[in-house]
Amino acid sequence: AQKITQTQPGMFVQEKEAVTLDCTYDTSDPSYGLFWYKQPSSGEMIFLIYQGSYDQQNATEGRYSLNFQKARKSANLVISASQLGDSAMYFCAMRGQLNTDRLIFGTGTRLQVFP
Amino acid sequence: GAGVSQSPRYKVAKRGQDVALRCDPISGHVSLFWYQQALGQGPEFLTYFQNEAQLDKSGLPSDRFFAERPEGSVSTLKIQRTQQEDSAVYLCASSSGDRGLSSSYTFGSGTRLTVV
Repeated sequence: AQKITQTQPGMFVQEKEAVTLDCTYDTSDPSYGLFWYKQPSSGEMIFLIYQGSYDQQNATEGRYSLNFQKARKSANLVISASQLGDSAMYFCAMRGQLNTDRLIFGTGTRLQVFP
Repeated sequence: GAGVSQSPRYKVAKRGQDVALRCDPISGHVSLFWYQQALGQGPEFLTYFQNEAQLDKSGLPSDRFFAERPEGSVSTLKIQRTQQEDSAVYLCASSSGDRGLSSSYTFGSGTRLTVV
């Protein structure tokens, strides 16, 4: 079975500062992918970044980077230079090699950026 | 279209009423997914289509839930005899059909269903 755990229900960060959102996972799949999505109040899930389990380097996409520690089964999202528009729910998700048809999501972290 | 479109945006149903939720995926996307997001939770998989074929419906919570995609484009999620526990946001997503690990979806804004 696969499971995603996000232990931070809410996080606050000041504008222009960096913030780390935690994600741990559990899977028996030999190969898997990890995703982060942003869900603003409008409701849609916006893809941010992807990390493959066999990727040698941590993924980066603009201000987003993924701190992937395979041995610890963690895939934390780092947002640098936070902006007010970053305020939203953030979900970590995974897909395993044995069932690529579905994403398994965590319960999310609400990030609030203040001026 | 440019994105995944879902309608209605909000739906209030009396308990026992049937509802139909529509999803219009990105043009040309062969894969379509339905997820259910309860309040304060992450989305949970319901069902998956590849073109008009429903390849996985193992996430549907009961036989009151039914999904179809008859022509391989627009999809409808139908819930019969709605119950209060069906209250949730129903998200639709589509993708180009690449079933690789890195394949990402484009989600719609969802339909918020409230059963009273």
